[in-house]
Amino acid sequence: QKEVEQNSGPLSVPEGAIASLNCTYSDRGSQSFFWYRQYSGKSPELIMSIYSNGDKEDGRFTAQLNKASQYVSLLIRDSQPSDSATYLCAVIWGEYGNKLVFGAGTILRVKS
Amino acid sequence: GAGVSQSPRYKVTKRGQDVALRCDPISGHVSLYWYRQALGQGPEFLTYFNYEAQQDKSGLPNDRFSAERPEGSISTLTIQRTEQRDSAMYRCASSLGDGQETQYFGPGTRLLVL
Repeated sequence: QKEVEQNSGPLSVPEGAIASLNCTYSDRGSQSFFWYRQYSGKSPELIMSIYSNGDKEDGRFTAQLNKASQYVSLLIRDSQPSDSATYLCAVIWGEYGNKLVFGAGTILRVKS
Repeated sequence: GAGVSQSPRYKVTKRGQDVALRCDPISGHVSLYWYRQALGQGPEFLTYFNYEAQQDKSGLPNDRFSAERPEGSISTLTIQRTEQRDSAMYRCASSLGDGQETQYFGPGTRLLVL
């Protein structure tokens, strides 16, 4: 089992729809979770961070965390073509760790 | 303010040569991280510094890879006797302090070993 798993996609959604991106992780001690967006040829850019169980909303983005199920998700409402990118789920490894462990990323394509 | 900067942005070298990659973190950030990213994959952890102390080097693939941050600011990742399998994007990130906070990534150095 990989440490952080994501469906590689591509996930295709029409413009205006909700895009749902999912991630599971294997370390029960992890406490900090991040979603990064990476456009082709660019560096990862932070979208959301979440530390507590439940939902966290920021504009069109909502991160959801369920530590019991070791599951993190990102919802993008009113998807725009400019949201087309690779979305990377990242987990700080271990309760007192510092290194980020990334999933392989999910490619999102928003069609206009 | 300025973000994380890295140089060179691109490096082409011949197999067997040594290369040095530089990272200048965001001003005031005490934590610095090196990652390597292959095409179609997420970044893979290499090493971590807190100020000038290398706290974790568990991700360095072998002893040809080393890193330093002598004054707690700029860091250098050195690859000795480069091999073709070392070709990748090398990314640096920094964060405010020793804890589980957000890491901000630089533009990366694309290394190609011929």
